[in-house]
Amino acid sequence: DAKTTQPPSMDCAEGRAANLPCNHSTISGNEYVYWYRQIHSQGPQYIIHGLKNNETNEMASLIITEDRKSSTLILPHATLRDTAVYYCIVRGNTPLVFGKGTRLSVIA
Amino acid sequence: EAGVVQSPRYKIIEKKQPVAFWCNPISGHNTLYWYLQNLGQGPELLIRYENEEAVDDSQLPKDRFSAERLKGVDSTLKIQPAELGDSAVYLCASSPPGPSGANVLTFGAGSRLTVL
Repeated sequence: DAKTTQPPSMDCAEGRAANLPCNHSTISGNEYVYWYRQIHSQGPQYIIHGLKNNETNEMASLIITEDRKSSTLILPHATLRDTAVYYCIVRGNTPLVFGKGTRLSVIA
Repeated sequence: EAGVVQSPRYKIIEKKQPVAFWCNPISGHNTLYWYLQNLGQGPELLIRYENEEAVDDSQLPKDRFSAERLKGVDSTLKIQPAELGDSAVYLCASSPPGPSGANVLTFGAGSRLTVL
């Protein structure tokens, strides 16, 4: 599976959009981009995934660049409950391989 | 719909003692995973089952760890004997049938092991 690069930490003001970047320059054509998050003392929670097109669900939006070498997860109106570690994972026909993720702190 | 259920949530044992963790996946999910998460790190895969068959156990330390999924539903992960370095969170996840790249894994809350 392609490796991903994420900033170790980010801050976001409550009510503002949180934009979490991810680089995956070695992604191959059949690999999906997945985002999970992990709130303290809980298991990872699925957020969203995509292959080529941008995706949106009730939790977030996923923007994938045209060359698929990077993506951005957007939480449109961050709340304190969005404070968590966010993992960007590129996955083909294999289990999820987690890196260290981005620790997002939402500040009141 | 019930999620992935794990027990116990917390376990404290002394080194050299045995310990077992249980996982009940989401109904209909044929693939089951056990992950290990050390403090400050992302989860790492230990073993993956397709129904009752272990199809990827290359990261499972087989000298002291064992796992089973006898009827292709519930699964148990055992450590015997436990060592201090086994203190971690043990996560279970499951996913439905179909092309695995597009399958979403659902995780349980995890079992936190402390070895004294």
